[in-house]
Amino acid sequence: SQQGEEDPQALSIQEGENATMNCSYKTSINNLQWYRQNSGRGLVHLILIRSNEREKHSGRLRVTLDTSKKSSSLLITASRAADTASYFCATALTGGGNKLTFGTGTQLKVEL
Amino acid sequence: SAVISQKPSRDICQRGTSLTIQCQVDSQVTMMFWYRQQPGQSLTLIATANQGSEATYESGFVIDKFPISRPNLTFSTLTVSNLSPEDSSIYLCSVEQGWDGYTFGSGTRFTVV
Repeated sequence: SQQGEEDPQALSIQEGENATMNCSYKTSINNLQWYRQNSGRGLVHLILIRSNEREKHSGRLRVTLDTSKKSSSLLITASRAADTASYFCATALTGGGNKLTFGTGTQLKVEL
Repeated sequence: SAVISQKPSRDICQRGTSLTIQCQVDSQVTMMFWYRQQPGQSLTLIATANQGSEATYESGFVIDKFPISRPNLTFSTLTVSNLSPEDSSIYLCSVEQGWDGYTFGSGTRFTVV
């Protein structure tokens, strides 16, 4: 399977703390994307990092990409209760057309 | 970015029947993607729907079970046929937004009883 692996599977933190999620994948990619899903609903695109980029920021989000290790991390700083959701990485594979392959996901719970 | 209206949002279906899910996009898009998310799992691509041609199915998914229509550049339907309890999942459609990633519909969650 080309599916990426994410760890941890579940993460529980206090509001104000930082949350870090990791994603590993298996083959060459064009880009890697992170999505959030609230309560089994539709996914919301958070950030896209291209294969020639190493780090990207968007608000409280910081994404890194290490293509030599085939891994990425998502850091959410100063977490809020509203950040409670499932987070998925997804890769657009080289030569894979427009298809996305999703990772296994991390369930984040931010407690007050 | 595009906005997708997906219907129905949820349903309870009888075993052996079929359910059709609709996705309407507020702009023209070349490809639409259909995903399945089984309980507690990640998303798995079912098929890619192109306007004017047959959908391209991923390994493990067949047209007889998951027929797809794509009559124009803003609309697509996915039917899940001959329902069994194993089909109980969330089904999502999505469209590509270039370097802004993909936009997803709000999902259809159904339970087969």
